[in-house]
Amino acid sequence: NAGVTQTPKFRVLKTGQSMTLLCAQDMNHEYMYWYRQDPGMGLRLIHYSVGEGTTAKGEVPDGYNVSRLKKQNFLLGLESAAPSQTSVYFCASSYSGDTSSPLHFGNGTRLTVT
Amino acid sequence: GENVEQHPSTLSVQEGDSAVIKCTYSDSASNYFPWYKQELGKGPQLIIDIRSNVGEKKDQRIAVTLNKTAKHFSLHITETQPEDSAVYFCAARLGYGGSQGNLIFGKGTKLSVKP
Repeated sequence: NAGVTQTPKFRVLKTGQSMTLLCAQDMNHEYMYWYRQDPGMGLRLIHYSVGEGTTAKGEVPDGYNVSRLKKQNFLLGLESAAPSQTSVYFCASSYSGDTSSPLHFGNGTRLTVT
Repeated sequence: GENVEQHPSTLSVQEGDSAVIKCTYSDSASNYFPWYKQELGKGPQLIIDIRSNVGEKKDQRIAVTLNKTAKHFSLHITETQPEDSAVYFCAARLGYGGSQGNLIFGKGTKLSVKP
């Protein structure tokens, strides 16, 4: 039982390039989330999904797209990377949206955009 | 929308001392307040949480208190150990919406426990 797995762990992009971050969970969780973490800023929600085939915008969705084609996977895409998207990205999942269902986080992807 | 303020940003204590981290929130309808611990190179991990119908919750050396009137909640760690060194985040769930996708996080406190 691996929990939440994020790939890749590190990535360097040039401005304007595109990439996709993959998040996979093996806990049969319905809800999945993408956060970004910047120094001194805490965790900010980018997008989330409440089930297969659904997505919703979070606090800072601009410049990102997501897809949830399979229940166990949640993809985060950057179509045209900008230096402002340099950050550590965390994926999380939860069994439901109820408060009795805590978030389980992956170990993050460190993205640098030059 | 909800805003969560967390203090202090850094905290250094001697092993065996207590540590207290405080958070305030702005939305009086918020009803769920988790605390996460993030070790270096890892993702955050839930360590304790409290709901708005409870004033205090304890789990071994950690406890959380909630003052709904003042809209603040605190994390208390007693008998600190070097392995408690990490970044701690508080969070509050927005008063509307049923998804934990509406969790708003504080900016974090870096706790250092000196042996």
